[in-house]
Amino acid sequence: QKEVEQDPGPLSVPEGAIVSLNCTYSNSAFQYFMWYRQYSRKGPELLMYTYSSGNKEDGRFTAQVDKSSKYISLFIRDSQPSDSATYLCATYLVFGKGTRLSVIA
Amino acid sequence: DTGVSQNPRHKITKRGQNVTFRCDPISEHNRLYWYRQTLGQGPEFLTYFQNEAQLEKSRLLSDRFSAERPKGSFSTLEIQRTEQGDSAMYLCASSPKVRLGNTIYFGEGSWLTVV
Repeated sequence: QKEVEQDPGPLSVPEGAIVSLNCTYSNSAFQYFMWYRQYSRKGPELLMYTYSSGNKEDGRFTAQVDKSSKYISLFIRDSQPSDSATYLCATYLVFGKGTRLSVIA
Repeated sequence: DTGVSQNPRHKITKRGQNVTFRCDPISEHNRLYWYRQTLGQGPEFLTYFQNEAQLEKSRLLSDRFSAERPKGSFSTLEIQRTEQGDSAMYLCASSPKVRLGNTIYFGEGSWLTVV
């Protein structure tokens, strides 16, 4: 089992939709979880960072960690075409495969 | 803060040639990381440095790969005797000296095409 598993999608939603992106991880010792956004042919850009369990909100983005089920989520409210990118979850030095999101105007 | 800088951004090389990539981290960051990313995959960890010490290496880093960080500043990643399977984007990242697992900041990547 890979340390971080992420559904690669692609995921296509209409503008204004709420998007839910998810990852699972295998090592219960992991404490830090990150979400990165990556546009085509660019380096990943840090979006959100959470420690341990709970929620963290930043504008239209909410990151959620459930350590009991080893599940991490990123919610995007009022999605915009500019949100179209690949979203990567990460912990420790390990990244998921990324979920490719398209928001259609 | 000028961000993580990588050079060259693109490199096309013939199979069997050696290539070297350079990374300049964010100035106050002690830790520097190298990742490789291929199409449709997330970044795969290769190695990381704390200052000039190379602390961890992935088994992905074969004998043909070598990374250095002299004086704990910039870093180089050299690939010897390149193979077509080495074609990928090589990402450098850096982070301040905090607990490992904390956020890291990426450069724009160096694209390698081996023909």
